[in-house]
Amino acid sequence: GNSVTQMEGPVTLSEEAFLTINCTYTATGYPSLFWYVQYPGEGLQLLLKATKADDKGSNKGFEATYRKETTSFHLEKGSVQVSDSAVYFCALRSNDGGATNKLIFGTGTLLAVQP
Amino acid sequence: EPEVTQTPSHQVTQMGQEVILRCVPISNHLYFYWYRQILGQKVEFLVSFYNNEISEKSEIFDDQFSVERPDGSNFTLKIRSTKLEDSAMYFCAGRKGQETQYFGPGTRLLVL
Repeated sequence: GNSVTQMEGPVTLSEEAFLTINCTYTATGYPSLFWYVQYPGEGLQLLLKATKADDKGSNKGFEATYRKETTSFHLEKGSVQVSDSAVYFCALRSNDGGATNKLIFGTGTLLAVQP
Repeated sequence: EPEVTQTPSHQVTQMGQEVILRCVPISNHLYFYWYRQILGQKVEFLVSFYNNEISEKSEIFDDQFSVERPDGSNFTLKIRSTKLEDSAMYFCAGRKGQETQYFGPGTRLLVL
């Protein structure tokens, strides 16, 4: 079945450091891929997405490229800020024609950025 | 910007009691979802709801669970007789058409 695996946290970085959070997936067909972020006390917010191979999603300085050959969608940011501290979830949505479009999530990675 | 709201933010209950978790989705959304996250584990799909009926449910969503959209605005998840293993964060989500799902802040349920 479809699944998502992402690196375990917590990830602790100093401000302005480079961030990578790894995400790999298993899916049949051509899923859409997402990164959601959860700031303390808030809901899951869409950070970025990619709907086909080689697409790059980007938002707020974060980027992720849909790599079909390695079944990966790693999240990167060149220079993190304290305000980026949050839990990051990688997710996929199967596009196999099903009507529900449910999301399948990874376990989430806690990022803590220190000043 | 409209947002999804959930109440309560925290709920503590005794095993065997019924709980109702409430969600108010964004008003023009048509598809609704419940997910849950047991502490330290993955966010898991529970159920999807469209046109006043369940469109898909996971194996977690057994006879103890039910969903309802009673008045066109609220979307509720009921657990009839809670078990210890129901302790989790429950997220409501909604979408319009093929677009992104928008999530609420979650309800943290603790079953004692």
